[in-house]
Formats: sequence, structure tokens, C-alpha cells
Amino acid sequence: DAGVIQSPRHEVTEMGQEVTLRCKPISGHDYLFWYRQTMMRGLELLIYFNNNVPIDDSGMPEDRFSAKMPNASFSTLKIQPSEPRDSAVYFCASSLVASQGDTQYFGPGTRLTVL
Amino acid sequence: GDSVTQMEGPVTLSEEAFLTINCTYTATGYPSLFWYVQYPGEGLQLLLKATKADDKGSNKGFEATYRKETTSFHLEKGSVQVSDSAVYFCALSDRGSTLGRLYFGRGTQLTVWP
Repeated sequence: DAGVIQSPRHEVTEMGQEVTLRCKPISGHDYLFWYRQTMMRGLELLIYFNNNVPIDDSGMPEDRFSAKMPNASFSTLKIQPSEPRDSAVYFCASSLVASQGDTQYFGPGTRLTVL
Repeated sequence: GDSVTQMEGPVTLSEEAFLTINCTYTATGYPSLFWYVQYPGEGLQLLLKATKADDKGSNKGFEATYRKETTSFHLEKGSVQVSDSAVYFCALSDRGSTLGRLYFGRGTQLTVWP
């Protein structure tokens, strides 16, 4: 299996621009998670889905952030408009809870820099 | 609510030294416990886990024992290598209303010098 795939790996943009991060989970996994990692705040859970349905989005910082999962093999995290404080590494992870317990498999991350 | 507290870093050791990274947890149910490792420039990956009290998880020379009486899951390795330099995260899952979710600690940076 190719593992969790994220794109792009690096994104540099200017304040006010729209940013879209993409994730392809491991085939067959029923949970998908979006995290943000910064030095100041550590690893934060932003939102997670079960069978494409958002379960908990309480970690989404504000209305500028939105996430979708239109099908079982694709999810996006969008920031519009972006701000310098959004600069971070964003990770996507997936899991198959029914048979593998709660082990999450992480993608390599997208490093976002907002100038 | 559920939470994990792990020792503050950074931890700096010489090669072949003994490693302990402390982790304690708070949970409302009967959690599973995990240690994840993050190498530079990569995502987190599972190092080991334990699903019930007194279980010992082990992998790559690392061990951790699920201690319900002390609500702890300390990570240990008898002889660290330079290649173990990474950030280590303790985590728990509580199969209640938050099924599928992991609660992570802040992470502990480990640097091993030759």
C-alpha cells in the first residue's frame, strides 16, 4: 500500500490567498483526521471524519478553515483567506478502527508558509 | 476529559545510554495507549502500543508497560542509538463517544550524540 498521500508537500503563499491541501487515505480506512503542528501549540486535531461524515470539527480554528470529504478516497482542507499565523505543518492520517483498533497512519505532511 | 502528559524535552543522551520518557494519562474509560515517533521531516509513525492494563508494548528495542494503578505508560530503551533521535509522542484512545480519536501529548525531542 502507498500509505497516506498528501499534496502538495510544500506550499508558500501570500496572505489573503486561498490554500487547498489534499489527502488520499489508505484504501479501505474508515476514519480520516486532519492535524496541524506548530512549535508553539504542538500537534492539534482540527477535524475528523468517519465514513466521509465529519464527526468533530471543534478543533477548526475559525471560519476561514473548511474541510470536505466527498468520497472515501479523498479529502481537502481549505484556508480562505490565509494568514501568516496559519503557517504550520498539516498532517492527514487515516485508520481502520473496526479491525485494527485505533492505530492511525500519518501522511508526510504539507508544510505551509504564509507570507 | 481524556488527556496525556509527557515529560518536557529536550532530552539529550550519549549513544548507548538508557532512555526513559515519562507519560501519564487521564481517561474516563479503559483506554489503549500508544507511543508514536516522528523523524525529522516526516509524519508520525506508530512505535508501539498496549491495549489493556499490564500489557507491554515493544518494538525496535523500545518498551512501555501499561500501568493502570499509576496511570502511566513510560517509554524505555536500554541502549539508544544516534538513529533514535526524533520526537516521541505518547497518546491514548478511549473507545467511548470519541471512538477512533487519539489524544496526543506535547511530544519529547530526543537527541542522541555519538
